[in-house]
Amino acid sequence: GQNIDQPTEMTATEGAIVQINCTYQTSGFNGLFWYQQHAGEAPTFLSYNVLDGLEEKGRFSSFLSRSKGYSYLLLKELQMKDSASYLCAVVDSNYQLIWGAGTKLIIKP
Amino acid sequence: DVKVTQSSRYLVKRTGEKVFLECVQDMDHENMFWYRQDPGLGLRLIYFSYDVKMKEKGDIPEGYSVSREKKERFSLILESASTNQTSMYLCASSPEGYSGANVLTFGAGSRLTVL
Repeated sequence: GQNIDQPTEMTATEGAIVQINCTYQTSGFNGLFWYQQHAGEAPTFLSYNVLDGLEEKGRFSSFLSRSKGYSYLLLKELQMKDSASYLCAVVDSNYQLIWGAGTKLIIKP
Repeated sequence: DVKVTQSSRYLVKRTGEKVFLECVQDMDHENMFWYRQDPGLGLRLIYFSYDVKMKEKGDIPEGYSVSREKKERFSLILESASTNQTSMYLCASSPEGYSGANVLTFGAGSRLTVL
């Protein structure tokens, strides 16, 4: 079967750095998405990786290793507004999205 | 600046009632999707549509139907609501192309409780 694993919940301190991991086992791979979802709000797009390596967008970076079936989202200089759920999703060989259950990130002052 | 609008944020219905969830997008997107989101589970695709009057079953279509009479509107219908359909329902849209690899724009969700 197809499987996406992410930690259920993480806690970090304002101003610090946090890494949210996502491992996947899917039938084929055509890219990996990260979305952010604040409580009670719509998920919003953060990043899309299809090639190995690190992509940086301001305070957020996303890394992909296709050989290891692994990605992480790195958040730097954490702010209280970064408290949210972070959803990992993989595009499989049929171009269908397979979603992880999401990681709830709690930021403490 | 709202791009995907779901008509109802919160609904409470009784078992056996017919339920309509409406979704409208203003980005002229070809693709529209209905997902349900439950605690501890990833988003699960119910139905999607690539074009007006076109619909395709997702992973969990049982108990649901959809309608897309206009490009901008995609409706989810629960013919006879059951308690196991209590959930958060998310509508999304994306531009034309391989739908899985396109960025999705989501609505804020409709939280349905079936008593």
